[in-house]
Amino acid sequence: GENVEQHPSTLSVQEGDSAVIKCTYSDSASNYFPWYKQELGKGPQLIIDIRSNVGEKKDQRIAVTLNKTAKHFSLHITETQPEDSAVYFCAASIRISNTGKLIFGQGTTLQVKP
Amino acid sequence: KAGVTQTPRYLIKTRGQQVTLSCSPISGHRSVSWYQQTPGQGLQFLFEYFSETQRNKGNFPGRFSGRQFSNSRSEMNVSTLELGDSALYLCASSLTHGQGGNEKLFFGSGTQLSVL
Repeated sequence: GENVEQHPSTLSVQEGDSAVIKCTYSDSASNYFPWYKQELGKGPQLIIDIRSNVGEKKDQRIAVTLNKTAKHFSLHITETQPEDSAVYFCAASIRISNTGKLIFGQGTTLQVKP
Repeated sequence: KAGVTQTPRYLIKTRGQQVTLSCSPISGHRSVSWYQQTPGQGLQFLFEYFSETQRNKGNFPGRFSGRQFSNSRSEMNVSTLELGDSALYLCASSLTHGQGGNEKLFFGSGTQLSVL
């Protein structure tokens, strides 16, 4: 069935360290993988996304890698700052007949200690 | 450009009542998706509307319904509320030139529904 698993559920790092969040997906037809950041009291905000024809994408301190063979993708945040503290969600596109939808992971609560 | 607007921000209802939530997408966006967010279940897909038609539906009972208007604004309705319906309901819009599911979603801040 359609499923996206995300690990870890909580992550605590020291300011300046790197943080890595990993997700696996089940649908081999998935071709779009966004990452969202949700701060307290706000809706999820798209921070980076990657499509299946690309193995890696970077945007300043954040990067996403995709391994289609293993069906997993990861979010990497370098030089973490306290404002990076939030809940992060991965998602994967799921094909249903001639339409599609996004399925989300369970979320990772990242705490960056100053 | 204004973002996705959801109203109301907070709602308190009692069991058995019904509720209607509203979502105004980003100007020019034609697709609206609804998600239920709870601490235990994460973000669960409810349904998606495109050009006033429900294009996709999640695994929720028939008490959950929605509609989209010609201006792309959307409403979702929950009838016969249950305690377990307490959640943050998020609306997201996208341009959707394609068939859905593989385009950037832009979320609103959500409506926090509490069922007593």
